[in-house]
Amino acid sequence: KAGVTQTPRYLIKTRGQQVTLSCSPISGHRSVSWYQQTPGQGLQFLFEYFSETQRNKGNFPGRFSGRQFSNSRSEMNVSTLELGDSALYLCASYRTGNTDTQYFGPGTRLTVL
Amino acid sequence: AQSVTQLGSHVSVSEGALVLLRCNYSSSVPPYLFWYVQYPNQGLQLLLKYTSAATLVKGINGFEAEFKKSETSFHLTKPSAHMSDAAEYFCAVKDQAGTALIFGKGTTLSVSS
Repeated sequence: KAGVTQTPRYLIKTRGQQVTLSCSPISGHRSVSWYQQTPGQGLQFLFEYFSETQRNKGNFPGRFSGRQFSNSRSEMNVSTLELGDSALYLCASYRTGNTDTQYFGPGTRLTVL
Repeated sequence: AQSVTQLGSHVSVSEGALVLLRCNYSSSVPPYLFWYVQYPNQGLQLLLKYTSAATLVKGINGFEAEFKKSETSFHLTKPSAHMSDAAEYFCAVKDQAGTALIFGKGTTLSVSS
């Protein structure tokens, strides 16, 4: 069974640009969560989606947004990039009703110059 | 609010020695606790989880953790370290409001021969 895939793996952008990251969950998983990992702040929850609906959101500015499609694939978007947005963005998927076992993808490394 | 604190950002052991990574939690409700491992340039892999069943939890790769309510601790141990255990380890608690994971700052484990 294929794991969680994230594309692209690496991305370089400049301040002010916007970026879209993609996450494909494990087959059969309908829930997806996103996390940001930085050396300073560590791992922080961004948002969670289930059946195309955002169920939970972390404490991030409105520049961070996401969505989920009918096939459970999810995207997150960051607009007006800032230097501080440089981070590893991780996606996790899990089965409905089994939220205790979340499977993480390899992440997308975003560098903002 | 729930939180976890990992004591020691860096732990060094010799191959074959005991591994002990410390995690203390704060929670007003019975917590769901997790240990994840992250290898360089990879996502997070679940080592083990505590979900209010047995207090001694066995995970993958020979790791185990003991939930101690009186000490609000969930330390991770492995009797004999292997070179392949060198990685970053994260303790996490599930947010009581939903499915988000709240992570500690992480502990980097180094194993020397």
